[in-house]
Amino acid sequence: DQQVKQNSPSLSVQEGRISILNCDYTNSMFDYFLWYKKYPAEGPTFLISISSIKDKNEDGRFTVFLNKSAKHLSLHIVPSQPGDSAVYFCAASEDKLIFGTGTRLQVFP
Amino acid sequence: DAGVTQSPTHLIKTRGQQVTLRCSPISGHKSVSWYQQVLGQGPQFIFQYYEKEERGRGNFPDRFSARQFPNYSSELNVNALLLGDSALYLCASAPDGSNQPQHFGDGTRLSIL
Repeated sequence: DQQVKQNSPSLSVQEGRISILNCDYTNSMFDYFLWYKKYPAEGPTFLISISSIKDKNEDGRFTVFLNKSAKHLSLHIVPSQPGDSAVYFCAASEDKLIFGTGTRLQVFP
Repeated sequence: DAGVTQSPTHLIKTRGQQVTLRCSPISGHKSVSWYQQVLGQGPQFIFQYYEKEERGRGNFPDRFSARQFPNYSSELNVNALLLGDSALYLCASAPDGSNQPQHFGDGTRLSIL
């Protein structure tokens, strides 16, 4: 039973445009959500997080939105850059991190 | 500042053998967690240790065990290796066990022949 789902395995976006990555979860007890970026042969790199008491958190080009009623969160990257090309994982925490399966983002010129 | 360091980076073992993977957390971090990532999946939680005590365990068999040392470094041991144990093993550290971002090492790639 997958508690955190990323239904889009891949996403292709033109440089300068907005990238929107989506994540759904099933457990209403999750109280903290994170996004990680992973390049090949490297460990996941923390990008941004959000507590369940908030609905938006922004850090530079990255914004995470949380819709608790829909059990949905999204990561917006504006503007997208070629260096953003990587696999993005969302994760949810109750007392341990549970990861989605990832979305591969490709930003092309 | 050094990030999370893991050793070795790659390891090849045969079925039935035992393996020990090592992790040094970021300086000042007292919580260490271990994850297994197989191809095409997200990292899956194995263990969390905080102040040398086990705080959580994922759905893995008893062949998997871990410990944390007084300097907060950690080891993951896997006994009686199976082909299905082939994966990337990731270690992550955090200042404490509460809701804070975990910072990952680059992992140990374990291949079972």
